[in-house]
Amino acid sequence: GEDVEQSLFLSVREGDSSVINCTYTDSSSTYLYWYKQEPGAGLQLLTYIFSNMDMKQDQRLTVLLNKKDKHLSLRIADTQTGDSAIYFCAESMLRGNMLTFGGGTRLMVKP
Amino acid sequence: NAGVTQTPKFQVLKTGQSMTLQCAQDMNHEYMSWYRQDPGMGLRLIHYSVGAGITDQGEVPNGYNVSRSTTEDFPLRLLSAAPSQTSVYFCASNGGGSDTFGSGTRLTVV
Repeated sequence: GEDVEQSLFLSVREGDSSVINCTYTDSSSTYLYWYKQEPGAGLQLLTYIFSNMDMKQDQRLTVLLNKKDKHLSLRIADTQTGDSAIYFCAESMLRGNMLTFGGGTRLMVKP
Repeated sequence: NAGVTQTPKFQVLKTGQSMTLQCAQDMNHEYMSWYRQDPGMGLRLIHYSVGAGITDQGEVPNGYNVSRSTTEDFPLRLLSAAPSQTSVYFCASNGGGSDTFGSGTRLTVV
């Protein structure tokens, strides 16, 4: 079955770049997503990338996709304390439907 | 502009009790789904619906029932709660390419 893996924890200093990594096994994954979850809140869609793309940039966020290695990364430039949260990688075959999530990476930003 | 509304936010049940978690969306989205979130496991899909009158099972459907009599509502029913169902439950809807999650229901079964 599908499997999405992420490292559990990442700590960075304010102003540095953060890179959160994700690997997946389903080669039929068409859409790959990054969600942010702040304490006590639901999930917020940050960005997504279609599998025929290898990069997508949106302000401080850069998503890189290596389809051959089934590796997805999220880079946050100039990381701020407000970026502290859990970040989830997810994949699906159809846009927004039947997502398979990774276990989440907790990002801690130190001042 | 409510988006996806889940009620209740918190619930404690005794083993064997039944209850319904409510989910409503006001965006006219066709696709709705229920996930449970457990520590270190991310979100797992319980049930989903691609439109009124149509539901299907996700990854972890056992112990849960759903129905979709209207586009707006997608309730999740626990028929006989078990401690293994202690979790945070999220409802989500999707339409036109936008994904919206509710704020979650934290359920504890004792």
